[in-house]
Amino acid sequence: EVQLVQSGAEVKKPGESLKISCKGSGYSFTSYWIGWVRQMPGKGLEWMGIIYPGDSDTRYSPSFQGQVTISADKSISTAYLQWSSLKASDTAMYYCARPTAPRGYHEFDYWGQGTLVTVSS
Amino acid sequence: SSELTQDPAVSVALGQTVRITCQGDSLRSYYASWYQQKPGQAPVLVIYGKNNRPSGIPDRFSGSSSGNTASLTITGAQAEDEADYYCNSRDSSGNPHVVFGGGTKLTVL
Repeated sequence: EVQLVQSGAEVKKPGESLKISCKGSGYSFTSYWIGWVRQMPGKGLEWMGIIYPGDSDTRYSPSFQGQVTISADKSISTAYLQWSSLKASDTAMYYCARPTAPRGYHEFDYWGQGTLVTVSS
Repeated sequence: SSELTQDPAVSVALGQTVRITCQGDSLRSYYASWYQQKPGQAPVLVIYGKNNRPSGIPDRFSGSSSGNTASLTITGAQAEDEADYYCNSRDSSGNPHVVFGGGTKLTVL
C-alpha cells in the first residue's frame, strides 16, 4: 500500500527555522516525483515545488523560489521542506503528494495527511 | 506562468448534473487533473488524463476538455459530493511548473 506520512504539527516563532518531512512507503521512492503544496487558512491549493528523489532534480514555483528548500534523502525514502527564517505568513497546512505514474508530474493521486505549521510570536 | 480560472461557487440540486469548469492557456497543451477536498481533509484525485478515474472514485465523475477549458461533470450529484474542487495542470509557458486553479465550492441543495 502506497503511503505518504508527514511529520507532525509545528508551532514556531518568526525568524526560526523549520524542516518538515514526508516519508514514502509501498512504492519505489526514487522513481516518482514528490510535490509540495501549500494551503493557507481558508484558501486554495498552491504548488510550491517538486523533487525527483532519484537524482534530486528540484523545481520551484516562482512564488516560492528562494523562500523554501526542497530536498530528499532516498536512503530513508523521505522528502523535506524547509525554511531558514519563518514568517507569520508561512502559517498554513503543507501537503506532500505523489503523481499517478513514474513519469507523471502534476496528477497527484497520493497525498500525505498534511503538516500544519503555525508561526506566531 | 500560466493561470487556471475556476468559478468560486456552484450549486446543484440533489440528483442533478453539474459541470465545474477550469480555464487556462496551459489546458491547450495538457490535460487537467481534478481534486475533491472536504473540510479538514487532504485533497483526493477524482479525474486525471483524458478522462481517467482512480480506483474507488464513483463513475458519476467524468472529465472532458475543449480548447482552453477543462470540465468536471458530476452526473447525479450526491450530498457527499459537496466539497471544494480544484483543477491543476502543467504550466505550458516553457517552465517546469504546476498550476492550480483557485477552486470551486460545490453546494448540493
